[in-house]
Order: sequence, then structure tokens, then C-alpha cells
Amino acid sequence: GESVGLHLPTLSVQEGDNSIINCAYSNSASDYFIWYKQESGKGPQFIIDIRSNMDKRQGQRVTVLLNKTVKHLSLQIAATQPGDSAVYFCAENMIGGTSYGKLTFGQGTILTVHP
Amino acid sequence: GAVVSQHPSWVICKSGTSVKIECRSLDFQATTMFWYRQFPKQSLMLMATSNEGSKATYEQGVEKDKFLINHASLTLSTLTVTSAHPEDSSFYICSASLRGSIAKNIQYFGAGTRLSVL
Repeated sequence: GESVGLHLPTLSVQEGDNSIINCAYSNSASDYFIWYKQESGKGPQFIIDIRSNMDKRQGQRVTVLLNKTVKHLSLQIAATQPGDSAVYFCAENMIGGTSYGKLTFGQGTILTVHP
Repeated sequence: GAVVSQHPSWVICKSGTSVKIECRSLDFQATTMFWYRQFPKQSLMLMATSNEGSKATYEQGVEKDKFLINHASLTLSTLTVTSAHPEDSSFYICSASLRGSIAKNIQYFGAGTRLSVL
């Protein structure tokens, strides 16, 4: 259900540092995961995805790690920049499911990058 | 590619009026469109799933007569908030997913609509 009234976790880093954002997912049957970035007043923006048959996937400055044993997902951002400041959400899905690609979103983490 | 346009970006209306929000996939055909509501500093809450040419599927607790969804084509879905009241004030976001295998699970989001009901 909706976590009404809870504050989002926050992560503050210095520009140039590496950031690690964590996410615990709930459905052990989920086999597809996406990380989204949401800047203030905007819609979420796709960052990177990973299927459950992988445990690591790299993009440009970002890496996603998947640990299915403990149902944990992480997003690593290398050399974090002020433009990376945003809320980051993980989302899970079942590719073969009948839910028309319905995503379940995590709580979100506020990343603040200080110059 | 995969651009979703949402309009309007901001709307202020009087209590009791209805507001229509449009969601368009500009450069692709969307298998499915989704409507979300988001409160400040909270995650996205799925309201309904919309497939072209069929009735929308609403999530538990979402009033279908309050939030009317029309999905007239593979590139356009609309959400109408009927008889809006101050408690309907929120950030509404649509998304669209691509036709086809794995890609259909990626949702591309619009920029959102800030609704303020006076």
C-alpha cells in the first residue's frame, strides 16, 4: 500500500563522489527492474534497466546491481554531478505477466549533490 | 525517441469543475498508457491502466466515475477529473509503453500536470 506521510530517504554527496542508491523490492516473482530519475516538477526519466537473469548492468556513469537472493537492487552513479540531484525510484515488473507491463514503484531516494 | 507529451503542465480550477489532461506518445505507438498520482515527496501511485479501444482498469480505491479515462488511439489517452475538489489537488503523471516484447515493459513518462483546485 501507499506509505503516506513517510519522508523519503535522502543521500547527500559531494560533486565528484560516487553515489549508491539502494532499493529493496517485494515480489520474488519480479524479473525485470528499472531505475528512474525524477527532477522536481517533472515526470520520471528512464535511466537503466536489468533483467533477472543478470546481476549487473552498466550504462554511461551508472551501474545497476541486482541481488535476487535478498531482493535488493542498487544504482551506482560514478562521479556524481550537481545535475544528478533528483529523486530516484526503482520499479519492478514481471515480463511474462498479464499486467500489461504494470510497474510497482519503490519509495524513492532523494539525492542531493553539493558542488 | 519515446517522447510522451502531457498537457497542460499546470491547471488551476474552481471546485466543482472538471479538468481534462491529455497524454500523447509523439513518436511511437503505445500499447498501454498509465495514469499516476503523486503527492509531494512520495512515490508514484498507479491510478489506472489504459489500453486503446478498451475500458481502463482502475486500481483499488480509485473511483472510475471520478477519474474518467479515454484511450481513443494508440497515441492519445485522456484523464478527466470530474467535479474536482481541493482534495484532488495533486501531481498527475501519465506514461506510455511501447508495443513489442521486452520494450513494452519500459514506461516513458510525461512531464506531469500540477492540478490545483480552489
